Amino acid sequence: NAGVTQTPKFRVLKTGQSMTLLCAQDMNHEYMYWYRQDPGMGLRLIHYSVGEGTTAKGEVPDGYNVSRLKKQNFLLGLESAAPSQTSVYFCASSSPRTRQAGYGYTFGSGTRLTVV
Amino acid sequence: RKEVEQDPGPFNVPEGATVAFNCTYSNSASQSFFWYRQDCRKEPKLLMSVYSSGNEDGRFTAQLNRASQYISLLIRDSKLSDSATYLCVVNIRSNTGKLIFGQGTTLQVKP
Repeated sequence: NAGVTQTPKFRVLKTGQSMTLLCAQDMNHEYMYWYRQDPGMGLRLIHYSVGEGTTAKGEVPDGYNVSRLKKQNFLLGLESAAPSQTSVYFCASSSPRTRQAGYGYTFGSGTRLTVV
Repeated sequence: RKEVEQDPGPFNVPEGATVAFNCTYSNSASQSFFWYRQDCRKEPKLLMSVYSSGNEDGRFTAQLNRASQYISLLIRDSKLSDSATYLCVVNIRSNTGKLIFGQGTTLQVKP
């Protein structure tokens, strides 16, 4: 099925470890986003990309890096994990074409990350 | 002030009830508006877009009041399966497609 795939689905890290979350979409969407969701805080934008080779900071970018080397993939990196980064991470994609049609985002199923 | 504000609830209603959620947004440049539904431990999914003229999809009706900068969602004849968190979402006029999410309103429909 077409859509957005996130890997891994679950991960436990020790403080100071690094990891990369992968987001892949097969809808040829131009825009991709990484959000984190915490209880009582809603979804907050970490980084986003409006096209291959371009990235930009969102609302809560500190402690994260991203790369968009291929249009279909958007990687989120944690260089030195901290307990404050324990969260559920969602990737999403969209396109100017889907916005105009009112279709909004397509989300991945999320990555549940615990940093101990 | 949050850019998108919702009453987190929870709203506890019996089956068959009508329930309404409101949401306010602070940026008058907001261009597109949506309601998303999120089930426990799942990803958000688009429920419906919201247009100035109001729109209806079965038991769901969405309204937008640009002058007052608020959005509403009305659910009629509530079903047990409507239990979820409903996210109010706006897109600021830009070329980035960024969406701003409210923290969500939790609905629990009881038998």
